[in-house]
Amino acid sequence: QSVLTQPPSVSAAPGQKVTISCSGGSSNIGDFSVSWYQHLPGTAPKVLIYENNKRPSGIPDRFSGSKSGTSATLGITGLQTGDEADYYCGTWNSNLNAHVFGTGTKVTVL
Amino acid sequence: QVQLVESGGGVVQPGMSLTLACAASGFTFSGYGMHWVRQAPGKGLEWVAVIAFDGTYKNYADPVKGRFTISRDNSNNMLYLQMSNLRAEDTAVYYCARWDSSRYDPWGQGTLVTVSS
Repeated sequence: QSVLTQPPSVSAAPGQKVTISCSGGSSNIGDFSVSWYQHLPGTAPKVLIYENNKRPSGIPDRFSGSKSGTSATLGITGLQTGDEADYYCGTWNSNLNAHVFGTGTKVTVL
Repeated sequence: QVQLVESGGGVVQPGMSLTLACAASGFTFSGYGMHWVRQAPGKGLEWVAVIAFDGTYKNYADPVKGRFTISRDNSNNMLYLQMSNLRAEDTAVYYCARWDSSRYDPWGQGTLVTVSS
């Protein structure tokens, strides 16, 4: 099981906002930067946020990231039907000497 | 454009071996660390292995240590994952991904490995 905990699911109406939490510890989020990925079934995952709060080129500013202590958060504003996907946080874990991903959160647009 | 394409997946019996390949294009392959990540059916993403840009450093997740070997051919822009003594729990879609400035970008489309008798 993952050392990074996310809520299994979040949902909101189109145009609304959702936030996804990612809870870890001192050996992972507490010490290393966090990235976030969007994954639609059958497709390649796509990076949305890296280094806690940076967006790669082409990612709209509806997506935002933050980190505080041993937790990180992904925010999605102006929710669209195309945002329905699974979302994962990820970071390095020094105790495991391995990259770790969160448990994943399914976003549903009502 | 920057692209990764996996191949080599299939159905194998427990205990058998399989080698996955990942063809890279659109970037200087020899300048980046590369990773394998997998997703078992109904499960989340799981990191599998990493190899440094020059192949001098390799590391593996505990569930595959001693059974999987990651390698690369920088002259042909290829990444590999040799998998031996496969188990049912290795059944997953396997993705290769480039590690670029603190993130995986891009990812390949994945190749499915099914371990079943």
